Amino acid sequence: DAGVTQSPTHLIKTRGQQVTLRCSPKSGHDTVSWYQQALGQGPQFIFQYYEEEERQRGNFPDRFSGHQFPNYSSELNVNALLLGDSALYLCASSSATSGDWETQYFGPGTRLLVL
Amino acid sequence: GEDVEQSLFLSVREGDSSVINCTYTDSSSTYLYWYKQEPGAGLQLLTYIFSNMDMKQDQRLTVLLNKKDKHLSLRIADTQTGDSAIYFCASLYKQAGTALIFGKGTTLSVSS
Repeated sequence: DAGVTQSPTHLIKTRGQQVTLRCSPKSGHDTVSWYQQALGQGPQFIFQYYEEEERQRGNFPDRFSGHQFPNYSSELNVNALLLGDSALYLCASSSATSGDWETQYFGPGTRLLVL
Repeated sequence: GEDVEQSLFLSVREGDSSVINCTYTDSSSTYLYWYKQEPGAGLQLLTYIFSNMDMKQDQRLTVLLNKKDKHLSLRIADTQTGDSAIYFCASLYKQAGTALIFGKGTTLSVSS
């Protein structure tokens, strides 16, 4: 049973560019959350997708957007990259429809470096 | 807003017990979690506790919850060098969805 997978593992971009990160949830999960973890900090909640809609959003600008597909996989898009967007981006999945809704399982993350 | 605080560093000797502490501000937190992060890796869920429980034990791990003081602790018995990692406390913030609010993490260093 595959856990949460993310791609790519590493990415280098320059300021002003756009980036797309991808996540496939754990088998049987239908909810995907994205977190940003800056160096030396705890993860910060960006947003959560369920039934292909953004369900909840943290304190991040509109440059951060996302999408969820019918197969429950998800993308995180960041436009007009800033140096401060350099971080580890973590995807977590959970199931809103099973008895396991309170548990979020994390992928290995995508490390983004903005130069 | 919601906040979770942890001490930043803990050093123990192999075989000793480790106790990592956490305080949170959201009195409506329904679940509290402990995650482990090894260098260059994602987060591994270690254990979690429902807010109506005081204690939960899972093999070498014991979680204690003091709701009155909004204090959570994780005790690792017989700490091993493989336990060296960053440990994050997280609170479930249930509004429209289910966002986790994390502390900054406690770095546990285990020496042999």
